[in-house]
Amino acid sequence: TQLLKQSPQFLSIQEGENLTVYCNSSSVFSSLQWYRQEPGEGPVLLVTVVTGGEVKKLKRLTFQFGDARKDSSLHITAAQPGDTGLYLCAAPFYNQGGKLIFGQGTELSVKP
Amino acid sequence: DTAVSQTPKYLVTQMGNDKSIKCEQNLGHDTMYWYKQDSKKFLKIMFSYNNKELIINETVPNRFSPKSPDKAHLNLHINSLELGDSAVYFCASSQDRWAPLHFGNGTRLTVT
Repeated sequence: TQLLKQSPQFLSIQEGENLTVYCNSSSVFSSLQWYRQEPGEGPVLLVTVVTGGEVKKLKRLTFQFGDARKDSSLHITAAQPGDTGLYLCAAPFYNQGGKLIFGQGTELSVKP
Repeated sequence: DTAVSQTPKYLVTQMGNDKSIKCEQNLGHDTMYWYKQDSKKFLKIMFSYNNKELIINETVPNRFSPKSPDKAHLNLHINSLELGDSAVYFCASSQDRWAPLHFGNGTRLTVT
């Protein structure tokens, strides 16, 4: 059972397009993290969102935490080939000993 | 300069062999982890140590044995390797068990 569901799983777009990736759960979280993983490397933290309704921006990336703290979205404006990678959301599940559980990831390919 | 380093990067071995993967972090973090990433890119926690003490032990075959000689090192030993063990194994660390993770660049294990 996927505790954190990401959609879409795969996304292939042209340079300059906008996109949104979603991360959903039936659980309420105290916080949620987004990571990006490039081929041959480990995931790297992009952002942590903590407050319901919170919006954080990282250049062309906008992260939002749902009001009920059960879901999050990542929006990329004017995608570039350098944005290509695997995007992962993750959240601590305290009823499972505080384990950080990852979504299954969204593989983004941005073509020039 | 590398924050979390793991060796080797690639490991190709035959079924039935025993192998080890080493991990070291120079961030002064208290908590270290082993994650397994399967062919579908799903990241699943295997073990977590906090100050050399095992705090998370997922449903992993007992052929897998983590060892933490000190809080900066967490090694993974695998006995009697099987084809299904082929995956990318990531070491990670965090300041404490609730903080975001810093990942190594992974060890791609191929069992033939």
